[in-house]
Amino acid sequence: DVKVTQSSRYLVKRTGEKVFLECVQDMDHENMFWYRQDPGLGLRLIYFSYDVKMKEKGDIPEGYSVSREKKERFSLILESASTNQTSMYLCASSITPGLGNSPLHFGNGTRLTVT
Amino acid sequence: AQKVTQAQTEISVVEKEDVTLDCVYETRDTTYYLFWYKQPPSGELVFLIRRNSFDEQNEISGRYSWNFQKSTSSFNFTITASQVVDSAVYFCALSEAAGGGADGLTFGKGTHLIIQP
Repeated sequence: DVKVTQSSRYLVKRTGEKVFLECVQDMDHENMFWYRQDPGLGLRLIYFSYDVKMKEKGDIPEGYSVSREKKERFSLILESASTNQTSMYLCASSITPGLGNSPLHFGNGTRLTVT
Repeated sequence: AQKVTQAQTEISVVEKEDVTLDCVYETRDTTYYLFWYKQPPSGELVFLIRRNSFDEQNEISGRYSWNFQKSTSSFNFTITASQVVDSAVYFCALSEAAGGGADGLTFGKGTHLIIQP
């Protein structure tokens, strides 16, 4: 089974802090994603990466950056955390399919609270 | 632009009732993929099914069934004889073929299903 591991289940940070959310997958997947989930808004794509050192903006990249130095690891960075970034953050990975778009495999999520 | 609408925010039924979760999508692509995910209280999203736009056959897996109708741009999910363990948030999602899946899925806002004992 694919395993996507997010380093923290809960995080509490202060406004202005630099925050790192880490995600590791163990199935050699090319594609990795960061979503945030908020009540009433569903899942929204922040950033994604289809290869090492490659990154693409999703629908809501403002206030975030990412790093993918190794294939298995995809980090989400909040340069200066703000209270409106309090949310559930979900990491996911998928293979680059030969035929058909493959499903995303998700981690358990990191619930970040910014005070 | 692609869009997924799950009009039902929350559904509550009594155990053993059948329940249908609605999903309506919008896309300009002729080739696309539809997905359903389950998010139990533990938080992890669990993949349930993927359907491509050329396959309109309904699918059944145990108590779960999916009805895909291109004519109405819908991909509805039915749980038969619901159980308390089915309580979760269910997400419908869409991926256009052009991106090859590398650009992720577009999710609906989810339907919170509550099965009462």
